[in-house]
Amino acid sequence: NAGVMQNPRHLVRRRGQEARLRCSPMKGHSHVYWYRQLPEEGLKFMVYLQKENIIDESGMPKERFSAEFPKEGPSILRIQQVVRGDSAAYFCASSPEQRETEQYFGPGTRLTVT
Amino acid sequence: AQSVTQLGSHVSVSEGALVLLRCNYSSSVPPYLFWYVQYPNQGLQLLLKYTTGATLVKGINGFEAEFKKSETSFHLTKPSAHMSDAAEYFCAVSDAYKLSFGAGTTVTVRA
Repeated sequence: NAGVMQNPRHLVRRRGQEARLRCSPMKGHSHVYWYRQLPEEGLKFMVYLQKENIIDESGMPKERFSAEFPKEGPSILRIQQVVRGDSAAYFCASSPEQRETEQYFGPGTRLTVT
Repeated sequence: AQSVTQLGSHVSVSEGALVLLRCNYSSSVPPYLFWYVQYPNQGLQLLLKYTTGATLVKGINGFEAEFKKSETSFHLTKPSAHMSDAAEYFCAVSDAYKLSFGAGTTVTVRA
C-alpha cells in the first residue's frame, strides 16, 4: 500500500508567484490534513479536509492561502502571491475512516521563496 | 486548547546509552498522545501512540513511552541508543483530529 504522496518535493517560487502543492492520500483514506513547519519550529496545523469539504481551516492564514480536496484527484494547497515568510516545509497527512486520531504523513514539500 | 512542551531542544547520547526525551502535555480532556520521528528531509513517522488503556506504550525501533496523568507527562525512552536513532523527535497531542506538536528534540548519537 503506497504511502501519502506529495509533489513536488521541492518548489522554488519568486515573490508574487503562486505555489500549488499536491497531496495524494493513502488508498482508502478520505481525511486529509495540512501542516506547516517553519525553520526551527514544530509542525502547525493548517487545515482539515474531507472529500469536497473543508472541515476546519482555523490554522490557515486568512489571505492568500486556500485548500481543496475534490471528489477526484489530489488535495491541493494553494498559496497566492507568495512572500519570503511562506518559505517552509508543508506536510500533508491522511487518515482512514473512523480512525482520525492516527495520521500518516507524506514526505513534505519544501517551498523556497526567493 | 491542548498543547505539549518538549524539554530540551537537543539531546546527545553515546551509542548504547539510555535515550530519554521529555514531553509534558496540557489538555482539558483525556488526551491522545503521540511520538513521531523525522529523519532529515523526510516526513514524520509514527513511533507510538497512547489513546486509552495501558499506560506503558511500546512502539517501533525499541522505543516506549509511559503516560503519567498525575505528572501530565509522556516521556519517550529507549534503553540502548543506536546510531540510526539520530533524528528529530516530536511529541504531539490530538484534539479529535488536530495534532498539536511540540517544538521537537534533536537527538545526536556519539560513537
